[in-house]
Amino acid sequence: DAKTTQPPSMDCAEGRAANLPCNHSTISGNEYVYWYRQIHSQGPQYIIHGLKNNETNEMASLIITEDRKSSTLILPHATLRDTAVYYCIVRGGTSYGKLTFGQGTILTVHP
Amino acid sequence: AAGVIQSPRHLIKEKRETATLKCYPIPRHDTVYWYQQGPGQDPQFLISFYEKMQSDKGSIPDRFSAQQFSDYHSELNMSSLELGDSALYFCASSFGLADYNEQFFGPGTRLTVL
Repeated sequence: DAKTTQPPSMDCAEGRAANLPCNHSTISGNEYVYWYRQIHSQGPQYIIHGLKNNETNEMASLIITEDRKSSTLILPHATLRDTAVYYCIVRGGTSYGKLTFGQGTILTVHP
Repeated sequence: AAGVIQSPRHLIKEKRETATLKCYPIPRHDTVYWYQQGPGQDPQFLISFYEKMQSDKGSIPDRFSAQQFSDYHSELNMSSLELGDSALYFCASSFGLADYNEQFFGPGTRLTVL
């Protein structure tokens, strides 16, 4: 599976957009970009995923560059409850569906 | 909406004892994954099952075994427990192995080995 690189930590003011970057320069054509978050030892929570096109759901938007080597997760109006570790995961190829978690980004939302 | 159910939520065992963790997937999900998260670490894949057959295996100790039953629930059996087995154990489920199908996690079982 392709390796991902994320900043170890980021801060965001409550009510502002949080933009979390992820590099996945070795991604293959059939691999998906997934985002999960984990709030203090709870089970990882699925946020969004995409292959090539930008995606949006009720939680977030996912912007994937045209060359697919990087992506950005956007939380449009961050709240204190969005404080969590955010994982960008490339899934596909010979993964048989499993998720390979990297270090993730600790997002802290400030009042 | 129904979510993944794990039991027990907390478990305390002594060294060399055995433990059984259970996972009940979301209804109609036929694929189950197990992950282990040690203190201060990221979740690590252990093993997965699709339609009651093992589909993939990660860094799972030989002391651990797992299976998926006809109703798609899964059990992770851990024997000869060691202090280092203390961790959060998460189960996740999905519909099939396809990478475009989301995987949903349960709340986890916190295992403490004394």
